[in-house]
Amino acid sequence: DGGITQSPKYLFRKEGQNVTLSCEQNLNHDAMYWYRQDPGQGLRLIYYSQIVNDFQKGDIAEGYSVSREKKESFPLTVTSAQKNPTAFYLCASSIPAGWATNEKLFFGSGTQLSVL
Amino acid sequence: QKEVEQDPGPLSVPEGAIVSLNCTYSNSAFQYFMWYRQYSRKGPELLMYTYSSGNKEDGRFTAQVDKSSKYISLFIRDSQPSDSATYLCAMRSGAQKLVFGQGTRLTINP
Repeated sequence: DGGITQSPKYLFRKEGQNVTLSCEQNLNHDAMYWYRQDPGQGLRLIYYSQIVNDFQKGDIAEGYSVSREKKESFPLTVTSAQKNPTAFYLCASSIPAGWATNEKLFFGSGTQLSVL
Repeated sequence: QKEVEQDPGPLSVPEGAIVSLNCTYSNSAFQYFMWYRQYSRKGPELLMYTYSSGNKEDGRFTAQVDKSSKYISLFIRDSQPSDSATYLCAMRSGAQKLVFGQGTRLTINP
């Protein structure tokens, strides 16, 4: 059953702590993305990766870091430098790689991150 | 001013009503227009995709693009309680990044 798996579903962060959100896909997609969703603000792009071992900053990358060591995996770390981390985080993937004309994004079920 | 504006609602209508959801945009270079549906605490799923101006119909859903007015719409006919969700418009120009609207929260009352 192909798809994108995000874990955990809920995550709590203490002050000064780094936390990592997992995103795994078995769709064989080249491109993967992380979005942040806040109430009434739609989706904002944090980071994206078009190929293994390469990634680019999106619109709101400050306070976040990513890695893309495997095609299937694109974990997001929310660092202590991100002062307002409470949000719903969505991972997505697509084929073909890049912003192709008929690109369709497939989304995971999201991780809700809250600050303790 | 945001590139894409979407009324966040919430919008509440009775079952069977025709629903109209809208987005306006400022970037005349946008060519690819999408509507995503997002159920509560789930990831969005692509509902409709349109290139340039015109209409596209899929079952009870119709997507309409008016590039001259920089205005896109999604119509839902014979709305059902299962249509209750947040609807996000999204658009892109060429190889540029996808830009999302804020999303409209829709409730269909039985």
